[in-house]
Amino acid sequence: KNEVEQSPQNLTAQEGEFITINCSYSVGISALHWLQQHPGGGIVSLFMLSSGKKKHGRLIATINIQEKHSSLHITASHPRDSAVYICAATEKLVFGKGTKLTVNP
Amino acid sequence: DAGVIQSPRHEVTEMGQEVTLRCKPISGHNSLFWYRQTMMRGLELLIYFNNNVPIDDSGMPEDRFSAKMPNASFSTLKIQPSEPRDSAVYFCASSRDYTDTQYFGPGTRLTVL
Repeated sequence: KNEVEQSPQNLTAQEGEFITINCSYSVGISALHWLQQHPGGGIVSLFMLSSGKKKHGRLIATINIQEKHSSLHITASHPRDSAVYICAATEKLVFGKGTKLTVNP
Repeated sequence: DAGVIQSPRHEVTEMGQEVTLRCKPISGHNSLFWYRQTMMRGLELLIYFNNNVPIDDSGMPEDRFSAKMPNASFSTLKIQPSEPRDSAVYFCASSRDYTDTQYFGPGTRLTVL
């Protein structure tokens, strides 16, 4: 079993839909990262959180330390949100396999 | 700031050759990370430095891989000798400290024939 599991692996949505991507981890963490990898390959850090919730624009990340689970939500999804979303757990940086999101117009 | 700079952006080499990848972190960042990304294994941490000192190199695949950070503004990842299974995209990232937000370079796409 991987130390960081993401679901779903692939997700297709229609523009405007509310999207949730899940990340479960079995390792001890000091923080959990959410990354976005664009179709061209560039990687951007979206959030780093150790408790509670963070919001940036249409993106919301939550974490439940007791349940070892984090979610990334996208409200009013747009085709430009199409990317691979990756979660990573620290102490020792361990990455999930990523969720490929496609938002159709 | 120009962000994290990596060179070269693409490298094609033959098996057995030495390959050197370069990274310039964002000024003022104390932590630097080297990652490898393949279709099969996804993103993997190879090594990270804090204040130019290697802290965790447990992700380095084998002795053929070595990384150095001679000063706060430059790091190299060297593969000698290279093998076809080393073909991947290698990312460098930097952050203010280990648990802070990381800023990724554009990556170096390495192809070993």
